[in-house]
Amino acid sequence: SQQGEEDPQALSIQEGENATMNCSYKTSINNLQWYRQNSGRGLVHLILIRSNEREKHSGRLRVTLDTSKKSSSLLITASRAADTASYFCATDEGGSYIPTFGRGTSLIVHP
Amino acid sequence: DAGVIQSPRHEVTEMGQEVTLRCKPISGHDYLFWYRQTMMRGLELLIYFNNNVPIDDSGMPEDRFSAKMPNASFSTLKIQPSEPRDSAVYFCASSPGPPAPQYFGAGTRLSVL
Repeated sequence: SQQGEEDPQALSIQEGENATMNCSYKTSINNLQWYRQNSGRGLVHLILIRSNEREKHSGRLRVTLDTSKKSSSLLITASRAADTASYFCATDEGGSYIPTFGRGTSLIVHP
Repeated sequence: DAGVIQSPRHEVTEMGQEVTLRCKPISGHDYLFWYRQTMMRGLELLIYFNNNVPIDDSGMPEDRFSAKMPNASFSTLKIQPSEPRDSAVYFCASSPGPPAPQYFGAGTRLSVL
């Protein structure tokens, strides 16, 4: 099944820096979601962006969507050590209304 | 609500044994999903239910895997017989329905020796 692909696979930054992760997909989507997974835990929903939206904010999170490039980005501003986690995008592309998860980006924020 | 509850959190078993994983979804959620997560294959959707009815089980890897949802508050994923390659973390998630978010349980870490 089709799924979003996150980039980079791994990201290591210092506390206070911004972290940017990208998600690309192949066909059209209705919705794109970002989730976070802390080590040893289940995934936690962060934000949903619809295909007719270009940008959404939630606290220190900023998500953009460019349907012409079939890509989305997740920006975490002023990162903290507690942001260390894996981040996944989930897309409902291919006509399915059930989202499919990508492989994720592993983010490490050094204190 | 306590969230999605999975049990057990950890399961260690020997090859050939039957394994049963359990899930209690969030009350009022109509959709229930079972996932498997490994380093090699990432997060794979195994099966999902809508109103207790299995809708898509195309992700179930083999006939050794089966899932049931006898009522709105309980689901099981059974592996019989288990094999070492089934070792993974299995997640259950529930949702009011797409595109609403999915709420994940803490997972069951399965080790088949």
